[in-house]
Amino acid sequence: QVRLQESGPGLVKPSETLSLTCNVSDASVINSYWTWIRQPPGRGLQWIGYIYHTGSTTYSPSLKSRVSISIDTSKNQFSLNVSSVTTADTAVYYCARFNYLIYAIDVWGPGTTVTVSS
Amino acid sequence: DIQLTQSPFTLSASVGDRVTITCRASQNIVTNWLAWYQHKPGKAPKLLIYKASILESGVPSRFSGSGSGTEFTLTISTLQPDDFATYYCHQYNSGFPWTFGQGTKVQIK
Repeated sequence: QVRLQESGPGLVKPSETLSLTCNVSDASVINSYWTWIRQPPGRGLQWIGYIYHTGSTTYSPSLKSRVSISIDTSKNQFSLNVSSVTTADTAVYYCARFNYLIYAIDVWGPGTTVTVSS
Repeated sequence: DIQLTQSPFTLSASVGDRVTITCRASQNIVTNWLAWYQHKPGKAPKLLIYKASILESGVPSRFSGSGSGTEFTLTISTLQPDDFATYYCHQYNSGFPWTFGQGTKVQIK
């Protein structure tokens, strides 16, 4: 059973860079798509972007200028960077696997809360 | 972008009720790659339905999905206590960014 676990700072200062890592267990990151999704307080799910094991990425147009997703196949993990954060980036961040055989997100991490505050 | 609009935003229902949630897309979702997720507070979302109508393994059969093109529905045939949650639709359409609907909260009447 594939397991995902997000890790990273729970508190980030405004204008700094938010960095999270997703560790993948019991499956290889190779030959799959991996994605980041967030949920701001009181709001719905917001897709951030995804990456293929080759390093090919696609980002949400609304976040594209500030977001970077990378993958480390040797460590079996992928990462998210969001630059120049504001309080609007406060959210629960989820990493997940996009199963391209069914075109749906079938495995999710438990989520990690990131608060942007000085 | 393809916008997904769910209705209703909030739904009050009782155990045993039949519940239907609608997801409308601003453009045709070619190949019907639309999924439904259940989300409870403090937990990760859970995949219920993919390709509009295919039940994910392990999901109770009281959940069903239907629709095509721009209109899709999620139905819970007999609402159970465990089903009170927020439900989201999500689309994948080649060449377009992914999007989620704004969510439908199913709450106790």
